[in-house]
Amino acid sequence: GAGVSQTPSNKVTEKGKYVELRCDPISGHTALYWYRQSLGQGPEFLIYFQGTGAADDSGLPNDRFFAVRPEGSVSTLKIQRTERGDSAVYLCASSLRPPFNEQFFGPGTRLTVL
Amino acid sequence: KQEVTQIPAALSVPEGENLVLNCSFTDSAIYNLQWFRQDPGKGLTSLLLIQSSQREQTSGRLNASLDKSSGRSTLYIAASQPGDSATYLCAVIDNQGGKLIFGQGTELSVKP
Repeated sequence: GAGVSQTPSNKVTEKGKYVELRCDPISGHTALYWYRQSLGQGPEFLIYFQGTGAADDSGLPNDRFFAVRPEGSVSTLKIQRTERGDSAVYLCASSLRPPFNEQFFGPGTRLTVL
Repeated sequence: KQEVTQIPAALSVPEGENLVLNCSFTDSAIYNLQWFRQDPGKGLTSLLLIQSSQREQTSGRLNASLDKSSGRSTLYIAASQPGDSATYLCAVIDNQGGKLIFGQGTELSVKP
């Protein structure tokens, strides 16, 4: 069965550029989550969608980060004016019935900002 | 603010040993606790989910326990195998709802 998929798997960009990261959740999962994982650390929460709306965006580090989920399925994480400190693995997860149910993760997108 | 700590940070054992990984959290008001496995360069694989009303969950050679009042969970791995080598992460969903709050992980190495 299809799990959570993320594209691209790797993204290298230059400081100051704009990037988009895509997440396809498991079919039928209404909740979608974005996390960021730095080397040697556990993932840190960024934003959580219930359907099309952001139920909790308290983890977004600043206004350069934005995420959308216009049709309640695929989500895109957008980062403007990238900085070297944005380099990390960006993980997406989905769950069937939020907010307290098991979350299933995608393979992640490794973002490198030069 | 909820904080999750995992001890030890790294563990190396010979094949066949039983082992225990520890996870502690500062706020006992959690809704569930989830254990994950992460292989190098890969995403997270969910191992076990324990609801706040449960004391333990078992899957094959894995057993996870939860003591909410003391803010602790353990992951017990029986008869370890080299294929168990990975980083193990625990995470809680607290009363804010939705987001997982992770520990830093325990890197396990099982030597043949």
